[in-house]
Amino acid sequence: KAGVTQTPRYLIKTRGQQVTLSCSPISGHRSVSWYQQTPGQGLQFLFEYFSETQRNKGNFPGRFSGRQFSNSRSEMNVSTLELGDSALYLCASSLGASGGASEQFFGPGTRLTVL
Amino acid sequence: AQSVTQPDIHITVSEGASLELRCNYSYGATPYLFWYVQSPGQGLQLLLKYFSGDTLVQGIKGFEAEFKRSQSSFNLRKPSVHWSDAAEYFCAVGTSGTYKYIFGTGTRLKVLA
Repeated sequence: KAGVTQTPRYLIKTRGQQVTLSCSPISGHRSVSWYQQTPGQGLQFLFEYFSETQRNKGNFPGRFSGRQFSNSRSEMNVSTLELGDSALYLCASSLGASGGASEQFFGPGTRLTVL
Repeated sequence: AQSVTQPDIHITVSEGASLELRCNYSYGATPYLFWYVQSPGQGLQLLLKYFSGDTLVQGIKGFEAEFKRSQSSFNLRKPSVHWSDAAEYFCAVGTSGTYKYIFGTGTRLKVLA
């Protein structure tokens, strides 16, 4: 069974631009979570989707948004990029019915660099 | 509020030595506990998980962890470390109904030949 895939793997953007990251979960998984990983803050939860509904959102500004499609694929968008948005963005999928009790499988991440 | 603490930022051990990585959590009910490993430039791989039952959990790559409710701990152990174990290790807590994990800040393991 294929794992979680994330595209693109690397991105370089400039301040003020916007970016869209994509995540394809493991087949059959209906939950997709997004995390931001930085050396200073570690792994921070962004949001979680299940069957196209956002069930939880972390403490990030409104510039960070996401959505999930009917095939469970998910995208996250960051508008008006800031230097501090440079990070590894990780997507994780799970069966999802049990929320935080579900085992999550992580993708390789998208490395975003903002110049 | 729920939290996870990994008190050791860096740990260095010699190849063949035993290893213990510490993890303490704060949560009112019984948590769902996980250990993940991350190699440089990679995503996270699940080593093991605890949901309920036997408090000693076996995982992949020869790792095990013990859940101690009285100490709010879930420490990761390995009897003999291999050079390929050098990586960053994350402890995480999942809670039913919140649909998210809370991660510790990670412990970076260095293995000396």
